[in-house]
Amino acid sequence: AQTVTQSQPEMSVQEAETVTLSCTYDTSESDYYLFWYKQPPSRQMILVIRQEAYKQQNATENRFSVNFQKAAKSFSLKISDSQLGDAAMYFCAYRLTGTASKLTFGTGTRLQVTL
Amino acid sequence: DGGITQSPKYLFRKEGQNVTLSCEQNLNHDAMYWYRQDPGQGLRLIYYSQIVNDFQKGDIAEGYSVSREKKESFPLTVTSAQKNPTAFYLCASTRTSGAYEQYFGPGTRLTVT
Repeated sequence: AQTVTQSQPEMSVQEAETVTLSCTYDTSESDYYLFWYKQPPSRQMILVIRQEAYKQQNATENRFSVNFQKAAKSFSLKISDSQLGDAAMYFCAYRLTGTASKLTFGTGTRLQVTL
Repeated sequence: DGGITQSPKYLFRKEGQNVTLSCEQNLNHDAMYWYRQDPGQGLRLIYYSQIVNDFQKGDIAEGYSVSREKKESFPLTVTSAQKNPTAFYLCASTRTSGAYEQYFGPGTRLTVT
């Protein structure tokens, strides 16, 4: 069974600084997707970034980028120029390719942004 | 605007009563999902449906039931057999082609006393 591990329950970053959130996963499959979702205090889940396992290039979305290490099964999220609005729970998630199969989530990292 | 709606936002029930949570989407997505979120845990899959009139159990289906009579709707019933029903429930949907990222509704907080 696939598992996703987020070993940092809480992280803190100063405004305008950079922070990296860690995620590792366990799978025997070679073709899959990885996601980072953000859940602010409103509890609405928002997709931050997506990575296809067959792509070697790391995904980037504005201030958000990932470091995808397929052999190490690692998928970290880097947030640059942190803003107060980045404060939220961040969840790493895994899904097999093919049909619309389920997402497997990590337990989340709570990110605080301080002035 | 296209999206997923869940109602109500907060729901209170007495122990022993069944309760149905609503989920509607107008994104024309084929697949729909129900997740449960508890403090300190990630989201856990309850049920999912990839097509009308068909659905599959997720990881924690015991005590829950679903129906999928219309493409747009995927209601979840929390039965009295669910031992610990108080939780935050999230509905999601996705296309069945492409990258399949899941879009989520705003959630329903269910409290059973």
